[in-house]
Amino acid sequence: GAVVSQHPSRVICKSGTSVKIECRSLDFQATTMFWYRQFPKQSLMLMATSNEGSKATYEQGVEKDKFLINHASLTLSTLTVTSAHPEDSSFYICSATDDLNIQYFGAGTRLSVL
Amino acid sequence: GENVEQHPSTLSVQEGDSAVIKCTYSDSASNYFPWYKQELGKRPQLIIDIRSNVGEKKDQRIAVTLNKTAKHFSLHITETQPEDSAVYFCAASTGEYGNKLVFGAGTILRVKS
Repeated sequence: GAVVSQHPSRVICKSGTSVKIECRSLDFQATTMFWYRQFPKQSLMLMATSNEGSKATYEQGVEKDKFLINHASLTLSTLTVTSAHPEDSSFYICSATDDLNIQYFGAGTRLSVL
Repeated sequence: GENVEQHPSTLSVQEGDSAVIKCTYSDSASNYFPWYKQELGKRPQLIIDIRSNVGEKKDQRIAVTLNKTAKHFSLHITETQPEDSAVYFCAASTGEYGNKLVFGAGTILRVKS
């Protein structure tokens, strides 16, 4: 299957700082990437759909100014958590869709905000 | 919008027994149904998927069945092994919006040896 790389795998930051997470499709081009948030022992909650060359589409209740998404190329999407606070601590996972419309997931980023 | 319900939330089976996880969906336009396996702290891995033009698909010990009329689909794992222990998520998609998926709540499967 296709490979999706996500970095960093873990980040610890101070409250008020911004954190950038990268998601790359390594062996395929992804017109669409997705960003999810996952709380312990819960399902994947879609935050936004990232489209190459256009603005991301955010799910209801997700602050677009808080979670900035950029999809600058067909292989890279970034999620920036701005002015992070302890309540933003979570597991963030990206995914990318290949040309068969199958979603492959990154390994996730565990964000801890102190 | 689409709503996917998944049952049971936890499932314990003895090694060698079968495990069945069921999901229902609400949007009759959904046409793609993947199943993902997620081990603790790791990425969800696609284990099998089915599209609405077939009723059953099998891959070794894993099978998925789809009933479009009733709008439900199920994952069947036979001859379970301890390494099958994980969280399993079903999902549904209409194929729109880049194949946006709506996930079920997940099932924790424990295989006891």
